[in-house]
Amino acid sequence: SAVISQKPSRDICQRGTSLTIQCQVDSQVTMMFWYRQQPGQSLTLIATANQGSEATYESGFVIDKFPISRPNLTFSTLTVSNMSPEDSSIYLCSVELSPSSYEQYFGPGTRLTVT
Amino acid sequence: RKEVEQDPGPFNVPEGATVAFNCTYSNSASQSFFWYRQDCRKEPKLLMSVYSSGNEDGRFTAQLNRASQYISLLIRDSKLSDSATYLCVVNFLGDMRFGAGTRLTVKP
Repeated sequence: SAVISQKPSRDICQRGTSLTIQCQVDSQVTMMFWYRQQPGQSLTLIATANQGSEATYESGFVIDKFPISRPNLTFSTLTVSNMSPEDSSIYLCSVELSPSSYEQYFGPGTRLTVT
Repeated sequence: RKEVEQDPGPFNVPEGATVAFNCTYSNSASQSFFWYRQDCRKEPKLLMSVYSSGNEDGRFTAQLNRASQYISLLIRDSKLSDSATYLCVVNFLGDMRFGAGTRLTVKP
């Protein structure tokens, strides 16, 4: 297994501002992902964070709103830009430890509230 | 039709009971299948992968029926600590789709 940490664990932000969430893994991984889990709902994939290239976004999510960085194989950031109350959610990063196993392991999440 | 459908529950069972959760998926080309457990205000944690032949891990048994596009999770001898939401997850070429989850409460 791996130790996956996220910062911040929670935040309360004003609308119109941006928040950058960090995800750190204690081992090198090829695949890292960012998910959103809105209250009472299941997880929705935002994007795959690709090391050395632009992230791959799912339908309904765009780079201008959710810019992602992946500078190396252990770290990624997700920025939630120009926030509105609808962005209030839990944001989770996940990693795939074994290539092609498709088993994903999640960070503890970042609980974001936008007022 | 949702890509992954689960009975949302809640399932309220006494300790020691056997409980089964079902999950159906729409993409017949899906390749791999998982059950995750999510405790309140925590991240999902991988419970078990689901193999074509079915697999067992202690009190937990997972079954896959590709013909019916159906996955199940059986929990025997339920413990209080089994109380959680159980998420069915289906993968197609790395694209993971999560069910909405089935909530289980085990009562003394």
